[in-house]
Amino acid sequence: GAGVSQTPSNKVTEKGKYVELRCDPISGHTALYWYRQSLGQGPEFLIYFQGTGAADDSGLPNDRFFAVRPEGSVSTLKIQRTERGDSAVYLCASSLLPGYNEQFFGPGTRLTVL
Amino acid sequence: EDQVTQSPEALRLQEGESSSLNCSYTVSGLRGLFWYRQDPGKGPEFLFTLYSAGEEKEKERLKATLTKKESFLHITAPKPEDSATYLCAVAAGANNLFFGTGTRLTVIP
Repeated sequence: GAGVSQTPSNKVTEKGKYVELRCDPISGHTALYWYRQSLGQGPEFLIYFQGTGAADDSGLPNDRFFAVRPEGSVSTLKIQRTERGDSAVYLCASSLLPGYNEQFFGPGTRLTVL
Repeated sequence: EDQVTQSPEALRLQEGESSSLNCSYTVSGLRGLFWYRQDPGKGPEFLFTLYSAGEEKEKERLKATLTKKESFLHITAPKPEDSATYLCAVAAGANNLFFGTGTRLTVIP
């Protein structure tokens, strides 16, 4: 079956602009996660959804970052007033159940803020 | 504070030369240790989950083992297509994975 998909694959924007990154999880997966990966580093947790609600947003770096999952499937990560330091690969993952189950990752969106 | 340290940072092997990658962890209450493979420009690909000390899992040329303080990913007779970055992660809290920085493996034909 289809894996996790993310769009766009690449996004170039200017400092101060607003961006939206989309994630389509594996069908039937209830848990959805966003991570951020900088060059040479491992993925860093941002936010976790169980169903429609953000169950844990402790990894969001500041209030410029926000994510939604209105129907419990597709999720959108929103970044306001982008800064050069936001440049990274944003990864989405989903798992069948929450907790300690394996998470399956999408290919990521490479965000570049000029 | 949760910590995951992977070593070495980079490893070059001749094809067929077996070796091991190390993942040392400090976490309050391990709920699972995960190994992923990541190719350039792609998302991490799930390999194994280990839950308790003494557990071992195998897949083709890869074997993962777990003790109370570290995990090893053993690669037997590697091939060039095994070249990738291998990431180790621990289940932290109830919801997310805490990753190490990875080991970049290059297998030379």
